[in-house]
Amino acid sequence: KAGVTQTPRYLIKTRGQQVTLSCSPISGHRSVSWYQQTPGQGLQFLFEYFSETQRNKGNFPGRFSGRQFSNSRSEMNVSTLELGDSALYLCASSVNSYEQYFGPGTRLTVT
Amino acid sequence: QQPVQSPQAVILREGEDAVINCSSSKALYSVHWYRQKHGEAPVFLMILLKGGEQKGHEKISASFNEKKQQSSLYLTASQLSYSGTYFCGTEVTGKLIFGQGTTLQVKP
Repeated sequence: KAGVTQTPRYLIKTRGQQVTLSCSPISGHRSVSWYQQTPGQGLQFLFEYFSETQRNKGNFPGRFSGRQFSNSRSEMNVSTLELGDSALYLCASSVNSYEQYFGPGTRLTVT
Repeated sequence: QQPVQSPQAVILREGEDAVINCSSSKALYSVHWYRQKHGEAPVFLMILLKGGEQKGHEKISASFNEKKQQSSLYLTASQLSYSGTYFCGTEVTGKLIFGQGTTLQVKP
């Protein structure tokens, strides 16, 4: 079975721009969760989608949004980028939100 | 709400044992353990759903004490491949909230 894939792997953006990250879950997995990982804050939960519906949301500003498509692929969008948004963004897919399989992540650098 | 892990870092020699603790100020219904090697994605180790239950993964086992609101991860006879950062996660209103991580370094 193919693992979770994320594109792009690396991204450099300028403050004020917006960015869209993509995640393709493992086939058959309907739950996709997004996390932000930084050295200072660790792994922080952004949101979870299940069958195209946002099921849970973390404590991030409204600039962070996401969606899930009918094929379970998910995208997250960050608008009006700030320097503090520089991080590794990980998505994870699962069958039931328990055992999560993480993708390799997208390394976002905001300059 | 974030669980607290201790110690923050530990250095071991191959063959030595280690314990990583995870505690929460909130009632725990489940504890998830993940390991992340440098430059890689976190990998699921195990989940504990019942109080006092122990699970195992290779020579890694864990316990979960609901009353004390804590879980411990036991690494027995450490191998070089055990090096990495270990995260515990707890469910809070459906969200998986991770601790800050414990960095484990196993030296030859």
